[in-house]
Amino acid sequence: DTGVSQDPRHKITKRGQNVTFRCDPISEHNRLYWYRQTLGQGPEFLTYFQNEAQLEKSRLLSDRFSAERPKGSFSTLEIQRTEQGDSAMYLCASSSLRLAYEQYFGPGTRLTVT
Amino acid sequence: QKEVEQDPGPLSVPEGAIVSLNCTYSNSAFQYFMWYRQYSRKGPELLMYTYSSGNKEDGRFTAQVDKSSKYISLFIRDSQPSDSATYLCAFILTGGGNKLTFGTGTQLKVEL
Repeated sequence: DTGVSQDPRHKITKRGQNVTFRCDPISEHNRLYWYRQTLGQGPEFLTYFQNEAQLEKSRLLSDRFSAERPKGSFSTLEIQRTEQGDSAMYLCASSSLRLAYEQYFGPGTRLTVT
Repeated sequence: QKEVEQDPGPLSVPEGAIVSLNCTYSNSAFQYFMWYRQYSRKGPELLMYTYSSGNKEDGRFTAQVDKSSKYISLFIRDSQPSDSATYLCAFILTGGGNKLTFGTGTQLKVEL
């Protein structure tokens, strides 16, 4: 079991550019979550998938954000026209349906928008 | 009122001390009570969780829940420098996707 992996670990981009992050969950985990964490705060829920279906999106997820999980395995989170306020750590977590309350997090992607 | 309140610290204790970390919450519909540990620049790591009021012990860690007071605690016995991290309380509403609602985290430093 290799755990949740995320790529890239760090991303620096200029305001207005698009960025895409990838998350590979623990194999056979049906649920995949995206959270955002800013400095000094706890993670905040963005969206989650059960298999390939996106079942819930937070109001934090503006129309510049889109997430996909096309084959029910890895997921991507894209931010279009990045703004400085998007600078944060983007965390991915996964869980099985059998142990649905145990969410395991990846190391995160740290985004800096200049 | 914030849904979850957690003292951000920092909290500094000597090695071997008993540490008490606390959170209060306002949403009485929360049913699962979690504690995560987060080292600097890493993702949160699930320490333990509980469903009911009372205590749950796992090694040097004890989680305590008081639903009537909407108050949860994490106790760390015989604290070690390796326990130095940020501790996040988190809550789950059952039904739906089990999304986590986190506190702001308490930064703990255990000194030699």
